[in-house]
Amino acid sequence: DVKVTQSSRYLVKRTGEKVFLECVQDMDHENMFWYRQDPGLGLRLIYFSYDVKMKEKGDIPEGYSVSREKKERFSLILESASTNQTSMYLCASRDRETQYFGPGTRLLVL
Amino acid sequence: AQSVTQLDSQVPVFEEAPVELRCNYSSSVSVYLFWYVQYPNQGLQLLLKYLSGSTLVKGINGFEAEFNKSQTSFHLRKPSVHISDTAEYFCAVIPFSGGYNKLIFGAGTRLAVHP
Repeated sequence: DVKVTQSSRYLVKRTGEKVFLECVQDMDHENMFWYRQDPGLGLRLIYFSYDVKMKEKGDIPEGYSVSREKKERFSLILESASTNQTSMYLCASRDRETQYFGPGTRLLVL
Repeated sequence: AQSVTQLDSQVPVFEEAPVELRCNYSSSVSVYLFWYVQYPNQGLQLLLKYLSGSTLVKGINGFEAEFNKSQTSFHLRKPSVHISDTAEYFCAVIPFSGGYNKLIFGAGTRLAVHP
């Protein structure tokens, strides 16, 4: 079974803090993704990576950056957290056409 | 532009009753189709997918979906639901448009199963 893990299930941060969300997959997938999920808006793609050190912007990259130093790990970075970044963050990795999701990190920015 | 419409934002149903969650998509190219389920405070779990072949696809937990190309639909069905099926369900498509094939999600349907 594909396993995608995220470092935290719940996080509480203060406005202006730098926040790191970590995602690890154990299936040697080349493609990894970060989404945010908000009520009524569904899932929106923030960034994706198709190989180590390679990244592409998704639909809503503003306020975020990513890092992919190793194939199994894809990090989402909030350089200076803001209250409008309070959300559920979902990581996924892809095997051919199918994306597999982690359990999610619910982030609250105060 | 490609899009996915889930026609019902909420579907209440009694336990052991049948249910259908509707999904329509718009795309000028061929697509792959998916249904995911999200239980409270969890990530998305793949229920089933259509890539090619038979238009009736069976998935986990007794769910099935039928791809109808002429109606551009991919409705999800279960003949008898359980309380444990209470969750949010997402329909998603990948249009074949060359280059990176983006997964496009619908807004979700919240299924509430009542005793």
